[in-house]
Amino acid sequence: NAGVTQTPKFRVLKTGQSMTLLCAQDMNHEYMYWYRQDPGMGLRLIHYSVGEGTTAKGEVPDGYNVSRLKKQNFLLGLESAAPSQTSVYFCASRPGLASADTQYFGPGTRLTVL
Amino acid sequence: GDSVTQMEGPVTLSEEAFLTINCTYTATGYPSLFWYVQYPGEGLQLLLKATKADDKGSNKGFEATYRKETTSFHLEKGSVQVSDSAVYFCALSDHRNYGQNFVFGPGTRLSVLP
Repeated sequence: NAGVTQTPKFRVLKTGQSMTLLCAQDMNHEYMYWYRQDPGMGLRLIHYSVGEGTTAKGEVPDGYNVSRLKKQNFLLGLESAAPSQTSVYFCASRPGLASADTQYFGPGTRLTVL
Repeated sequence: GDSVTQMEGPVTLSEEAFLTINCTYTATGYPSLFWYVQYPGEGLQLLLKATKADDKGSNKGFEATYRKETTSFHLEKGSVQVSDSAVYFCALSDHRNYGQNFVFGPGTRLSVLP
């Protein structure tokens, strides 16, 4: 059981380039999330999805787009990367919305934008 | 809105010392409370949780009690080990905020010296 996996683990981009981060989960979870983690700022929610074909904005959505075409996958796209998007990106999934339901995290993607 | 406050650290302890990391929360509902741990280079992992007042969560020698009267969920361990060096995140989940209902604290970095 792989849990939550993220691809790639590391990436370096130049300003203006685009890329897609892939998150996959094999737990049949309905809810999926993308966070970014920056020093001293904890985790900030970028976008989330409450089911296949749905997406919604989180706390810091600008400059990112997402898609959830399949239940097990949640893609995060950067159309035109900026140095301010240098961060570590974490994907998470959750079985339901009951307050006791735990979020399960992937290992993260470290992105550097030059 | 809901929020989580925790001591930011860093906290540096000697092996076998007693650990306390303070966490307080603000929520208008009745949230579940969580502690997550992030080891170097990894994603967040659930350490323990409590779903109602006076519940005690425990795992790997760590404990935290849900104190509604003081809105706190302090993390404790009686004797820390070098392997406990990590960043610890306090979090709450409130079922009322559809979708994006996990709120994380900023994290506390713990370093345990041999």
